[in-house]
Amino acid sequence: EAQVTQNPRYLITVTGKKLTVTCSQNMNHEYMSWYRQDPGLGLRQIYYSMNVEVTDKGDVPEGYKVSRKEKRNFPLILESPSPNQTSLYFCASSLRRTSEDNEQFFGPGTRLTVL
Amino acid sequence: QKEVEQNSGPLSVPEGAIASLNCTYSDRGSQSFFWYRQYSGKSPELIMFIYSNGDKEDGRFTAQLNKASQYVSLLIRDSQPSDSATYLCAVTRRSNYQLIWGAGTKLIIKP
Repeated sequence: EAQVTQNPRYLITVTGKKLTVTCSQNMNHEYMSWYRQDPGLGLRQIYYSMNVEVTDKGDVPEGYKVSRKEKRNFPLILESPSPNQTSLYFCASSLRRTSEDNEQFFGPGTRLTVL
Repeated sequence: QKEVEQNSGPLSVPEGAIASLNCTYSDRGSQSFFWYRQYSGKSPELIMFIYSNGDKEDGRFTAQLNKASQYVSLLIRDSQPSDSATYLCAVTRRSNYQLIWGAGTKLIIKP
């Protein structure tokens, strides 16, 4: 089944404890992206990747890191999480490198709470 | 001013009626416009996209684009209770072709 998977789905952690949220897609998509979704603010892009070893900042990159060592994986790293990073996180992928005319497929989401 | 604006709702529509969802955007250079649906607790899924001014129909859904007015809308005909969801408008940003998202409109279809 073609899909984007994220793990973990739910995570409660404490301030400053490094964590990684994994994202993997099995559709051979070039483009991958991380978003956070907060009430009233909609989806905001954190980082995106056009291809392996190519990553760029989105609109809210502060406090996050990413890497794209393999085409299928795009982990999101929070080196020192803070309470303002409590949010619902989505990973997404699409076939082509630009988002102009192609569908983004979303993972199931990761609900993160930082205490 | 937000780059993409939607009325948060909730918009309540009787079953069988037409639901009209609206979205305005600020980047005059935006070329592609998307409507996604997000059920509560789920991830967004694409309904349709539109590039050209005018209407684009897909089943019960019609997207309407007016670039001069920087306005895109989604009409849902013969609304069903299963259409109850939050509808997200997304627009490509001209500078980097990334999607900018509205906060979404919550639609409730009343049986």
